[in-house]
Formats: sequence, structure tokens, C-alpha cells
Amino acid sequence: GAVVSQHPSWVICKSGTSVKIECRSLDFQATTMFWYRQFPKQSLMLMATSNEGSKATYEQGVEKDKFLINHASLTLSTLTVTSAHPEDSSFYICSASPGRGSGDEQYFGPGTRLTVT
Amino acid sequence: EDQVTQSPEALRLQEGESSSLNCSYTVSGLRGLFWYRQDPGKGPEFLFTLYSAGEEKEKERLKATLTKKESFLHITAPKPEDSATYLCAPRDAGNMLTFGGGTRLMVKP
Repeated sequence: GAVVSQHPSWVICKSGTSVKIECRSLDFQATTMFWYRQFPKQSLMLMATSNEGSKATYEQGVEKDKFLINHASLTLSTLTVTSAHPEDSSFYICSASPGRGSGDEQYFGPGTRLTVT
Repeated sequence: EDQVTQSPEALRLQEGESSSLNCSYTVSGLRGLFWYRQDPGKGPEFLFTLYSAGEEKEKERLKATLTKKESFLHITAPKPEDSATYLCAPRDAGNMLTFGGGTRLMVKP
């Protein structure tokens, strides 16, 4: 149980284009989903927290107009990187929790490798 | 501000050579400390949650312990398949996880 999937697993896009990453909880309803970014040999940095049906809460320094998060259902959240630039190249990981906030364990997806050329 | 420091950054062991990984934390109102394993190019895999000082949890060759300022992940007689990056993440009173930098463990046969 507690499986989280991400799609795509990797993507290459040109500078200036937008990319959408999907995060799905496959066997549970995720009240809360989290989006993290991880640069090579560094740890996970939380970007934003989203609760189903409400606007995402972004961490300090994360541009909400650049990283659009939609948590439209209890099993799906999407992260759209708008007008991507090479410095946005990173490993993006989502996690899902069946509880509000971080009250329950977070189950992580396999990650999406974004490369912007 | 919550702070988490993991040491060492990297650890090389021979198969069967036991050791410990350290996670030092400063968190306001700890509400659990989480350990994850992360393989290259993959998302973190949940290992343990510890909630109070003195608590211990075990899973196969791994045992996690918790004090008020630190957590240790003890690995007994490791195997090459235990090679991975181990991440700790305390959760604060605001229910947010803060990840440490991780310890990259390499076990040689």
C-alpha cells in the first residue's frame, strides 16, 4: 500500500517552454501533497504544500507564478514549471499524506528529472 | 529555525562491518523524526518514525534510536544492497519536515 507515482520520470525541454509533472496517490486518498526539489548531491528542499481544493502554500523563495501547483482531486496534484530556464533543471519529487498538514507519514514518488536546454 | 545535520556525509564500509549514522537536530516541538533511504535517481523510501526520546525501532539490519538532540541509525553487518543515501527528517510543531543533507553509505563486498 501507500504507492505514489509521478509522470513523467524524466523530461527534457527547451528554455522558455512549460512543463507539467503529475503526482498521483494510487491506493489512498491524499489530503495533502508536497513538492520537493533536489539538486545533485543535496538534500530535499520543500517547495510547496497543497491541500485538496485549496491554494498551495509556497516556501520562502519559491516563485508561485513560476511553479504552478494544482491539487484538484484527492489522488492527483500537478506541478507546472512555466517559462523554464536551465537553472530550473533539477530532480522534482512529490510526496503524499493521507492527513492534513504533515500529520501522517509522507509517501514519496519516484521523482521526475527535468533538464532544461 | 529548524536545523538538521547528518554525519558523516559519506561512509565506506566493508560488508559485515557495523557502524552508525548520526542525525543532530534542533527543532521546535518535535513531532516525530523520520528516517528514509534514497537510492540514486529515486524518491525516498520510508524506513522509521520515532516519536520520543529513548524509543528504538528495528528493521532487518537497521536500528534507529532517538534522544532529545540526536538520532542514530545503526547498521549491523551491512550488505552491498544496503548502499544508499540515508536521510533523516524531524517534524516540527508546525508539522513540517526538514531534511538533513544525508549520509551516503557505500558497502563493499
